[in-house]
Amino acid sequence: KAGVTQTPRYLIKTRGQQVTLSCSPISGHRSVSWYQQTPGQGLQFLFEYFSETQRNKGNFPGRFSGRQFSNSRSEMNVSTLELGDSALYLCASSFQGFANTGELFFGEGSRLTVL
Amino acid sequence: SQQGEEDPQALSIQEGENATMNCSYKTSINNLQWYRQNSGRGLVHLILIRSNEREKHSGRLRVTLDTSKKSSSLLITASRAADTASYFCATDPNAGGTSYGKLTFGQGTILTVHP
Repeated sequence: KAGVTQTPRYLIKTRGQQVTLSCSPISGHRSVSWYQQTPGQGLQFLFEYFSETQRNKGNFPGRFSGRQFSNSRSEMNVSTLELGDSALYLCASSFQGFANTGELFFGEGSRLTVL
Repeated sequence: SQQGEEDPQALSIQEGENATMNCSYKTSINNLQWYRQNSGRGLVHLILIRSNEREKHSGRLRVTLDTSKKSSSLLITASRAADTASYFCATDPNAGGTSYGKLTFGQGTILTVHP
């Protein structure tokens, strides 16, 4: 079974631009979560989607948004990029539709650098 | 902010030695999980322990959970150079059972195993 696939793996943007990151979950997994990882703040939860619905959202500004398609693939978008948005963005999928969070399967991440 | 705090922040040992990492958290939980991350890559799930469990084993891994002290420990026995990585604890908070993909991660322990 293929793992979680994130594209692109690396990207460089300049301040003010916007970026879209893509995540394909493990086949059959319907829940997709996004996390931001930085040296200063560590791993922080962005949002979670299940069956095209956002069920949970972390404490990030509205510049961070996401969506999920009918095939469970997900995208996240960051508009008006700031230097502080430089981070490793991780996508994770899971099968369960339960409210509790069990094992998450992570992709390799998309490393965003904002200049 | 991160709920979990891990110590030590860094641990350096020789191959064959045991490695113990500790994690403390602040709120009641449904479960606690441990993940490993090789430098700059995605996280790999190691083990999940539920709030009603006290100890769990998986291969060379042993996890304990003390909910009265809100703490957990991860023991890796007979460490190998390939165990070199960052290790994170993550909690699924017991907030009415609605975590929906949101795990709260600790800052991690960097483990270096010297051949």
